[in-house]
Amino acid sequence: DQQVKQNSPSLSVQEGRISILNCDYTNSMFDYFLWYKKYPAEGPTFLISISSIKDKNEDGRFTVFLNKSAKHLSLHIVPSQPGDSAVYFCAASAGNNDMRFGAGTRLTVKP
Amino acid sequence: ETGVTQTPRHLVMGMTNKKSLKCEQHLGHNAMYWYKQSAKKPLELMFVYNFKEQTENNSVPSRFSPECPNSSHLFLHLHTLQPEDSALYLCASSHLGQINYGYTFGSGTRLTVV
Repeated sequence: DQQVKQNSPSLSVQEGRISILNCDYTNSMFDYFLWYKKYPAEGPTFLISISSIKDKNEDGRFTVFLNKSAKHLSLHIVPSQPGDSAVYFCAASAGNNDMRFGAGTRLTVKP
Repeated sequence: ETGVTQTPRHLVMGMTNKKSLKCEQHLGHNAMYWYKQSAKKPLELMFVYNFKEQTENNSVPSRFSPECPNSSHLFLHLHTLQPEDSALYLCASSHLGQINYGYTFGSGTRLTVV
């Protein structure tokens, strides 16, 4: 039962443009949503989170948008940089420490 | 240095071997986790420990046996594994009640069962 889904396995973007990574979820009990970034041979690194009581959270070049009615969230990176090339995981938690992850989207930012 | 250290980084073991994965965190966190990452699949939660007490066993086969002697150390004991158990095993830690800060992951152990 995959409660968090990232339907795009890969995304390629030109440097300086916007990267939009999408995530859908099915469990309406989720109340925290997070994005992680993973480089090869490293563990995932926490990037940004959003509470279900908000619809937007911004941290520098990274903004996460939450649409609860659609059970959809997205991560916007602008401007995209080559160093942003990594696998991005969406995750969600229902107020406990049982965090569910998506399968990841591989972002490639071309110079 | 992420604050969560996993050893070994790579492990090749036969199906009849017994081995252990080790995880150590120096962040003062009170919860620790084991996740399994198979190719092109979501990270799968295996075990959760809060204050060194196991609170979640996500239907993991008994050939995987966790141990948490204290809130800083976590082990995953492996025995009679199958080739399909080959995967990246990730350890993570967090502060309970601070989900907004996410988990801190180690670099993982790449396990190959032959």
